[in-house]
Amino acid sequence: AQSVTQLDSHVSVSEGTPVLLRCNYSSSYSPSLFWYVQHPNKGLQLLLKYTSAATLVKGINGFEAEFKKSETSFHLTKPSAHMSDAAEYFCVVSDTQRTGFQKLVFGTGTRLLVSP
Amino acid sequence: DSGVTQTPKHLITATGQRVTLRCSPRSGDLSVYWYQQSLDQGLQFLIQYYNGEERAKGNILERFSAQQFPDLHSELNLSSLELGDSALYFCASSVLAGYEQFFGPGTRLTVL
Repeated sequence: AQSVTQLDSHVSVSEGTPVLLRCNYSSSYSPSLFWYVQHPNKGLQLLLKYTSAATLVKGINGFEAEFKKSETSFHLTKPSAHMSDAAEYFCVVSDTQRTGFQKLVFGTGTRLLVSP
Repeated sequence: DSGVTQTPKHLITATGQRVTLRCSPRSGDLSVYWYQQSLDQGLQFLIQYYNGEERAKGNILERFSAQQFPDLHSELNLSSLELGDSALYFCASSVLAGYEQFFGPGTRLTVL
């Protein structure tokens, strides 16, 4: 079964410093991986997705993630944090069944805190 | 704005009651998914519909049911509500099954 592990429940950074949110996945084959962001009292927004094309994936708002098969990791990074980045981030693996059903398996989330 | 709408935004009800949550997918999307987000269980997939037919079930309780109508909107029915059903319920849609899912803003259900 597919699964993801988000290694940090909380990450605190200062505005203007780099962001690193860590995610390891478990999959018996090459997975589709996503990062979603959830701002307080908002729905989930797709930041970026990896679907076996380029291993370095660029997303919205300056975020990017690198798929490393040897390390089974898909860490999310941003060079310079902004106050508006404060939110909950979810690493997600997709398990597409033969029926075409795409089951999303969510990690437990990492809360990013950005201080001025 | 993802284009997925959910109503109501908030719902407060009592134990034992029944409620209906509504979801309108993005224009052109045929597949609808329901998720539950709670503090103890995290984000969990409940059920998927594709063009009116149930496609897959996740961790959905027997007290819960859903349907997708000919106009493609979907409703999630929760009955015999318990305190533990208090959660944020999300709907997502995709153009076809297996494609990228877009999430609505959620309905926050509070059971007192």
